[in-house]
Amino acid sequence: GAGVSQSPSNKVTEKGKDVELRCDPISGHTALYWYRQSLGQGLEFLIYFQGNSAPDKSGLPSDRFSAERTGGSVSTLTIQRTQQEDSAVYLCASSLNGGVDTQYFGPGTRLTVL
Amino acid sequence: KQEVTQIPAALSVPEGENLVLNCSFTDSAIYNLQWFRQDPGKGLTSLLLIQSSQREQTSGRLNASLDKSSGRSTLYIAASQPGDSATYLCAVATFGGSTLGRLYFGRGTQLTVWP
Repeated sequence: GAGVSQSPSNKVTEKGKDVELRCDPISGHTALYWYRQSLGQGLEFLIYFQGNSAPDKSGLPSDRFSAERTGGSVSTLTIQRTQQEDSAVYLCASSLNGGVDTQYFGPGTRLTVL
Repeated sequence: KQEVTQIPAALSVPEGENLVLNCSFTDSAIYNLQWFRQDPGKGLTSLLLIQSSQREQTSGRLNASLDKSSGRSTLYIAASQPGDSATYLCAVATFGGSTLGRLYFGRGTQLTVWP
């Protein structure tokens, strides 16, 4: 079956612009996670959804970052007033119910802020 | 806060060698530990997942062990091949907080297997 998909695969934007990154999880997966991989850094957690609610937003680096999930499926990560330090690969993962279930990752969106 | 460390950061070996990649973590209150593979410009592929109650998992030429009490895991790759060249990431899913299964990642071991 289809895996986790993300769009766009690449995004180049100018400093100060807003961007939206999309994640389509595996059908039926209730848990959805966003991570960020910056050059020279490890993968860092951003936000977790269980269904449509986000009980853990602790990883969002600033109030310029927000995310939502609708219909228990598609999620959008929005970055407002982008900065050069936001340049990274943004990865989305989903799992059946969270917790002990395997997380399946999408191919990521590479964001470059000029 | 959970911290995950991977050693070595990079490894270059000739084809056919058996390899051991190491991962350590600071907080033993984990759900599970996963090993991932990441190819350049690609997402993560899950290789093996070890639940906290298990000691090891095997898949083909890969074997991963977990010693939760000491906070260590190893990934053993038998008879390495050039196609094994990639970055290998270790991640632990933790208890606590409001996130079920939040993953903490190490920085990875970049493996190059040359013919």
